[in-house]
Amino acid sequence: DGGITQSPKYLFRKEGQNVTLSCEQNLNHDAMYWYRQDPGQGLRLIYYSQIVNDFQKGDIAEGYSVSREKKESFPLTVTSAQKNPTAFYLCASSIFRSSGNTIYFGEGSWLTVV
Amino acid sequence: QKEVEQDPGPLSVPEGAIVSLNCTYSNSAFQYFMWYRQYSRKGPELLMYTYSSGNKEDGRFTAQVDKSSKYISLFIRDSQPSDSATYLCAMSAGSNYKLTFGKGTLLTVNP
Repeated sequence: DGGITQSPKYLFRKEGQNVTLSCEQNLNHDAMYWYRQDPGQGLRLIYYSQIVNDFQKGDIAEGYSVSREKKESFPLTVTSAQKNPTAFYLCASSIFRSSGNTIYFGEGSWLTVV
Repeated sequence: QKEVEQDPGPLSVPEGAIVSLNCTYSNSAFQYFMWYRQYSRKGPELLMYTYSSGNKEDGRFTAQVDKSSKYISLFIRDSQPSDSATYLCAMSAGSNYKLTFGKGTLLTVNP
């Protein structure tokens, strides 16, 4: 089945540790995204990538890093510099057509700092 | 003023009611408009996609865009308990890959 796979679904991290969230898509989409969702805050864009080996900061990139070495993969690292990392993280992908850009989401990863 | 405003609710209706969900926006460059449904602890799923002004219907769902008023709506007819979810509006200018989201409206349809 085509789709976006995020792993792990649930992750616990100790303060001061880096953690990497995986995101893989087999939709052959060009663009990939990472969003963070907090209660009452809506979706906030962390990073996005339009093509392989290129990515741009979103609205809340501080404390996060990404790579885009393959079209299918866009892992997100939550570093120890992220002050409040406990959140629901959503990976997404899209293909831009003349009719516009629609984004499709994975099922999300829950990160809890303990 | 935020780029996209969406009433967070919560909105509670009886089964079979017509539901109206709305967003307003300030960026006149927005021309692509989407509605997503998000069940609890799940990723959002794309419900409706419209371009520019007008209406689009898909089963029990109708999306409406009024660019002159910078106002979009999602109507749900004959609402069902399975429609209980958070509904997010999203929009883009089309010339880039970024979407701007509303904060979502929590809807509960009571049997």
